[in-house]
Amino acid sequence: DVKVTQSSRYLVKRTGEKVFLECVQDMDHENMFWYRQDPGLGLRLIYFSYDVKMKEKGDIPEGYSVSREKKERFSLILESASTNQTSMYLCASGIIPGQSPLHFGNGTRLTVT
Amino acid sequence: AQTVTQSQPEMSVQEAETVTLSCTYDTSESNYYLFWYKQPPSRQMILVIRQEAYKQQNATENRFSVNFQKAAKSFSLKISDSQLGDTAMYFCAFTYTGANSKLTFGKGITLSVRP
Repeated sequence: DVKVTQSSRYLVKRTGEKVFLECVQDMDHENMFWYRQDPGLGLRLIYFSYDVKMKEKGDIPEGYSVSREKKERFSLILESASTNQTSMYLCASGIIPGQSPLHFGNGTRLTVT
Repeated sequence: AQTVTQSQPEMSVQEAETVTLSCTYDTSESNYYLFWYKQPPSRQMILVIRQEAYKQQNATENRFSVNFQKAAKSFSLKISDSQLGDTAMYFCAFTYTGANSKLTFGKGITLSVRP
């Protein structure tokens, strides 16, 4: 079974802190994604990567950056955390979206105080 | 740009009954895929069913089936013989075929199955 592991299930950070959310997949997938999930808004794409060192902005990239130095790891970085970044963050990986399903991690619930 | 609309925020169904969740989408693409994902309280997102736009036949997976109306851009999910374990959020999603494509989700619907 494909496994997508997010490093933290719950995280509490202070305003202004630099925050790293880590995601690791074990199936050699080319594509990796970071989504943000908020009640009433569904899942919104922050960034995605289709290869090592490649990244593309999603629909809501402001306030975030990403890093993909190795194929299996995709990191989401909040340069200076703000309270409006309190949310559930979901990482996903896949081969070719559509032709095969995306595999999701269990999510990180981030609270910024 | 693609959009996915789920207009019902929540629904409730009696155990063993049938329920239909609605989804519409908008796209100018001709080749694409549609999905329903389930997110139970455990937060693990699970693929329920997948439909390829070029296939006229509606996809089915055990108790789950879709009604895909391409011209109307409608993609509803029917759950037959509802079970307590079906209680979850359900998300409709869309992706077009092509390099660097991405999955676009609707806002989701919370389904509660009553015993």
